[in-house]
Amino acid sequence: AQKVTQAQTEISVVEKEDVTLDCVYETRDTTYYLFWYKQPPSGELVFLIRRNSFDEQNEISGRYSWNFQKSTSSFNFTITASQVVDSAVYFCALSGYTGGGNKLTFGTGTQLKVEL
Amino acid sequence: ETGVTQSPTHLIKTRGQQVTLRCSSQSGHNTVSWYQQALGQGPQFIFQYYREEENGRGNFPPRFSGLQFPNYSSELNVNALELDDSALYLCASSYGGNGGNTIYFGEGSWLTVV
Repeated sequence: AQKVTQAQTEISVVEKEDVTLDCVYETRDTTYYLFWYKQPPSGELVFLIRRNSFDEQNEISGRYSWNFQKSTSSFNFTITASQVVDSAVYFCALSGYTGGGNKLTFGTGTQLKVEL
Repeated sequence: ETGVTQSPTHLIKTRGQQVTLRCSSQSGHNTVSWYQQALGQGPQFIFQYYREEENGRGNFPPRFSGLQFPNYSSELNVNALELDDSALYLCASSYGGNGGNTIYFGEGSWLTVV
């Protein structure tokens, strides 16, 4: 069975601080994919990144960066110089590559609050 | 915007009633999946349709059913509504029926069962 754990329920930071959201996953698949989504109050899940299990290179996109470490089954997300607009719930998710659906298994999410 | 559209955005139903939620997938996508998100929780996979056939289902009872049409749009039907069915229902589209594809979500349909 697949499982995603986001141990941080809520994080509050002051604008311009850096913040890291943790994600730990469990899977028996050798090929799998990891995702991060942002969910503002409106409800839509906004896609941020997809990473496959064979690519352990870290990725940077503007103020966002991701650290994938297969050895510790972690896929952490860092926002540099946070802004109020970053306030949202962030979900980490996992999907395998078996037949039977492109099912995403989500963590419980981390509520990020960025204050002035 | 993802190009995935859902309707209605909000609705209120009475326990025991039936509801149909609709979703139009992003252009070029042939796979639609549905998720239920209870308040304060992560989305839970209900099922997926690929080329009009259900090809994956989560741990939901048979009163949750769906359809996918030739244009790849989809419906989620829930019969005999229960209070615990109150949730945000998210539709997602992607290309291809197996894992690994990027999945784009719509804004969801907020269902309240009273």
